[in-house]
Amino acid sequence: EVQLVESGGGLVQPGGSLRLSCPASGFSFSNYWMSWVRQAPGKGLEWVANIKPDGSEKYYVDSVIGRFTISRDNAKNSLYLQMNSLRAEDTAMYYCARDLSYFDYWGQGALVSVSS
Amino acid sequence: EIVLTQSPGTLSLSPGERATLSCRASQSVSSSYLAWYQQRPGQAPRLLIYVASSRATGIPDRFSGSGSGTDFTLTISRLEPEDFAVYYCQQYGSSPRTFGQGTKVEMK
Repeated sequence: EVQLVESGGGLVQPGGSLRLSCPASGFSFSNYWMSWVRQAPGKGLEWVANIKPDGSEKYYVDSVIGRFTISRDNAKNSLYLQMNSLRAEDTAMYYCARDLSYFDYWGQGALVSVSS
Repeated sequence: EIVLTQSPGTLSLSPGERATLSCRASQSVSSSYLAWYQQRPGQAPRLLIYVASSRATGIPDRFSGSGSGTDFTLTISRLEPEDFAVYYCQQYGSSPRTFGQGTKVEMK
């Protein structure tokens, strides 16, 4: 059974940082692209970033370029999202998802709240 | 960027009825690379349909997708109680990948 379990969310002040983690199990993690997708409260879905299986290519939505960094550790079957210079508009549930261009498996999400 | 517009915003139906959800793209979606997701309250999205009409693993056959180009449809043939949820379309034919704003299927 595929499992993705996000952690690391919380309340942070504007300008602060958080690091999300997503350990994966039930599939060959090192063979798949992985993504982070977010959902602001009461809003729709927005793809944030993705990373190639070997970590050599990374892509981001324009609004997070220079502030967020996606990474992975295939030895630990884990995906990460380092979020710096957080803004109020980054407040959202952050999901990690297996990326086949569409997203076939999702974690349960980690809530990030940016507020003073 | 391709903008996806879903309609209606809310669909009020009774169990056993047929639901027809629309997703219209601002430009043609390459190779019908369109997916549909279901999101129940408090849960993560779940993949229903990919490449416009292929059902994901474990998805009941009351869910079907159709369409091409700029117009796509998700049909739920007979609504079950667990089908009342929000549905999103997503295109992955061009970058950046984008989602529609969602259609809520609520119980009448």
